[in-house]
Amino acid sequence: DAGVIQSPRHEVTEMGQEVTLRCKPISGHDYLFWYRQTMMRGLELLIYFNNNVPIDDSGMPEDRFSAKMPNASFSTLKIQPSEPRDSAVYFCASREGPGTGELFFGEGSRLTVL
Amino acid sequence: QKEVEQNSGPLSVPEGAIASLNCTYSDRGSQSFFWYRQYSGKSPELIMFIYSNGDKEDGRFTAQLNKASQYVSLLIRDSQPSDSATYLCAVTTNAGNNRKLIWGLGTSLAVNP
Repeated sequence: DAGVIQSPRHEVTEMGQEVTLRCKPISGHDYLFWYRQTMMRGLELLIYFNNNVPIDDSGMPEDRFSAKMPNASFSTLKIQPSEPRDSAVYFCASREGPGTGELFFGEGSRLTVL
Repeated sequence: QKEVEQNSGPLSVPEGAIASLNCTYSDRGSQSFFWYRQYSGKSPELIMFIYSNGDKEDGRFTAQLNKASQYVSLLIRDSQPSDSATYLCAVTTNAGNNRKLIWGLGTSLAVNP
């Protein structure tokens, strides 16, 4: 398997623009997680899905952030409008089954908002 | 606020030495504990997990858990320059009906040849 695939790897945009990050989880994994990583706050869970259903979105910073998972092989994280403080690395991760098994991370999407 | 604390480092050790990385957590109900390694510019990858008090060994890595002291550590024996990375401690915590992973900020390890 190719692992978790994220795109784009790098995104530079201007404040106020819409940003869409994409993720393809590992086939067969029924949990998908979106994380944000910064130096100051480390890894923060934004939202996670189980069988395409959002389970916990309490980590989504504000209404500017939204996430969808229309099917088992695709998820998006959208920021609209973007702000400079959204600059971070956004990771998608997937896991097979409940409990606390291993998370498999994608390579991340580095977002810079000017 | 449930927390996981790690020294940010950098922790610098000579090649061949033992590197000791430490992590404390605030939630007494935590059941599962993980160590992830993250190379610069890369994504985290799982190295070890431990559920029970005591030691768990896997090759050059040993995880140690003391639930009474709310403390988990990672020992790396015969450290190699390729071990230079940031090590993230992650702990499960119950948040309402959901179980979440809470992450430390990581300890930067530098192994000097």
